[in-house]
Amino acid sequence: AQSVTQLGSHVSVSEGALVLLRCNYSSSVPPYLFWYVQYPNQGLQLLLKYTSAATLVKGINGFEAEFKKSETSFHLTKPSAHMSDAAEYFCAVTAYGNKLVFGAGTILRVKS
Amino acid sequence: DTEVTQTPKHLVMGMTNKKSLKCEQHMGHRAMYWYKQKAKKPPELMFVYSYEKLSINESVPSRFSPECPNSSLLNLHLHALQPEDSALYLCASSQDSQYWAYNEQFFGPGTRLTVL
Repeated sequence: AQSVTQLGSHVSVSEGALVLLRCNYSSSVPPYLFWYVQYPNQGLQLLLKYTSAATLVKGINGFEAEFKKSETSFHLTKPSAHMSDAAEYFCAVTAYGNKLVFGAGTILRVKS
Repeated sequence: DTEVTQTPKHLVMGMTNKKSLKCEQHMGHRAMYWYKQKAKKPPELMFVYSYEKLSINESVPSRFSPECPNSSLLNLHLHALQPEDSALYLCASSQDSQYWAYNEQFFGPGTRLTVL
């Protein structure tokens, strides 16, 4: 069964520093992977998705993620954190029947 | 229009009340979803509709009753809820095609439900 594990429930970075949010997947078939962001009291917004076309995926707001099959990882990065990036981030993988399986989430805190 | 709308934004109800949540999209998507999200947890799938037919029910209690009157609308009827059902209820939609696996889901802002 498809699943994702997000390492670190909370990540804190200084403004301008590198953001790295970790996601490892488990899948018996080639996975389709997503990163979503959720701001407080809002719905989820898609940041980027991996669909096997390219291993380095660029998303919105300066985020990107690299698919590494050898490491079963799909970590999310941003070179320079901004205060507005503070939110909760979810990694997700599609499972059979239109199902989207989410990781537990990582709350990103950005310090000024 | 790339928006999923949900009404109401907030709902407070007693355990004997009957209420409904509404979701609407005009992106031509043929798959629609209901999720439940408790505080500090990821969304949990409740129901999936594909071409207006219920395709997945994740063993949700019968006090939650989904309805898809047409391809743009999705309702969630609530009756005799329990306080533990208090949560953020999210609606989402996606294209439903043979390539369903990589079709992203578009989420609405959610309805914050409180059951007293």
